[in-house]
Amino acid sequence: QQQVKQSPQSLIVQKGGISIINCAYENTAFDYFPWYQQFPGKGPALLIAIRPDVSEKKEGRFTISFNKSAKQFSLHIMDSQPGDSATYFCAATLRVGSGAGSYQLTFGKGTKLSVIP
Amino acid sequence: NAGVMQNPRHLVRRRGQEARLRCSPVKGHSHVYWYRQLPEEGLKFMVYLQKENIIDESGMPKERFSAEFPKEGPSILRIQQVVRGDSAAYFCASSPKANTEAFFGQGTRLTVV
Repeated sequence: QQQVKQSPQSLIVQKGGISIINCAYENTAFDYFPWYQQFPGKGPALLIAIRPDVSEKKEGRFTISFNKSAKQFSLHIMDSQPGDSATYFCAATLRVGSGAGSYQLTFGKGTKLSVIP
Repeated sequence: NAGVMQNPRHLVRRRGQEARLRCSPVKGHSHVYWYRQLPEEGLKFMVYLQKENIIDESGMPKERFSAEFPKEGPSILRIQQVVRGDSAAYFCASSPKANTEAFFGQGTRLTVV
């Protein structure tokens, strides 16, 4: 079964510190790896995404590192702030379906990040 | 800023009743996806629809669950004869075309009592 394994399950970081969340996948057919941020009672919102032909992507305080040979990718949040406290999900897409294909996302189980002042 | 609109936000049903969850995609988006999130779990893909067509329903249980996206009106996820295990948050996402970024709604939290 296609899976994306995410760790840690929860993370507590001091304000100004670096938050690191790791994911590993099994299926080499995955070709797009987004990270989502979800606040309580809200839907997931896209944070940043990467394709396997790139080893790193940075947007502001958020960086994805991608290791294709190890089938691992990680999210780094620099200068973590209390407002970053949320649940973070890594995901991967697998092209399925006929015709133009689909955008079926396989999600990790999530990491609950708490940034303390 | 009309994003993906889901209603109701919260739905309580007794065992054996039917649940109808509605999703209005972003204006101009013709691709809709439904996901289910159990407590403390990630989202699990259920079904992908394009206007009037089901493209991929590999994640949807074979019985009691159905989905549609008619030419006019919202997409509907229908759960017949609900059981306690159906209690979850159901999220809808939409995209303008296949294999492009999808935007999520705020979800419908279904509680079966």
